[in-house]
Amino acid sequence: EAQVTQNPRYLITVTGKKLTVTCSQNMNHEYMSWYRQDPGLGLRQIYYSMNVEVTDKGDVPEGYKVSRKEKRNFPLILESPSPNQTSLYFCASSLSTHRRLNTGELFFGEGSRLTVL
Amino acid sequence: AQSVTQLDSHVSVSEGTPVLLRCNYSSSYSPSLFWYVQHPNKGLQLLLKYTSAATLVKGINGFEAEFKKSETSFHLTKPSAHMSDAAEYFCVVSEDTNAGKSTFGDGTTLTVKP
Repeated sequence: EAQVTQNPRYLITVTGKKLTVTCSQNMNHEYMSWYRQDPGLGLRQIYYSMNVEVTDKGDVPEGYKVSRKEKRNFPLILESPSPNQTSLYFCASSLSTHRRLNTGELFFGEGSRLTVL
Repeated sequence: AQSVTQLDSHVSVSEGTPVLLRCNYSSSYSPSLFWYVQHPNKGLQLLLKYTSAATLVKGINGFEAEFKKSETSFHLTKPSAHMSDAAEYFCVVSEDTNAGKSTFGDGTTLTVKP
């Protein structure tokens, strides 16, 4: 079954304690992206990756890091979490064509709800 | 630059009545437009997409949307609401570039009353 898998689904942590949210897709997609969802703000892009070892900032990258060492995995790293990073996080990958790595047709994981105390 | 405006943050309908969720967009490129649905505690799922083919697009679960370039709109409709349609809906515009940045609207919460 085609899917995007995120872990953990729920996490409560404390300010400054490094954490990683993993994301894995089994569809061989080149393009992957992280979003955060906050009430009334829709989804905002944190980072995206066009392929292995190719990453770029989205709209709200401050306080986050990513890596893309393998095609299927795109972890999100919070080196020193702060309470304003309390949010619902989504990983997504995109169906590609020969002309566009991101066609906009996104496949989402089920989300990771993070609370930073 | 591109942007999306969902004109209603909340819509409430009775079961069996029509649904209309409104979306206006702006884009410097020929846009691709999407509607996604998010049920509680779930990820987003693609409902339908417009990618410069037919302007009336049919999606899953009886939903449709019509691309109107002159009005820069992409409204989502369904003739008859079902209880299971209660969810949050997002209108999304995607640039016609290789990276294809996706810009999300703020979402519309659909409530369906029995």
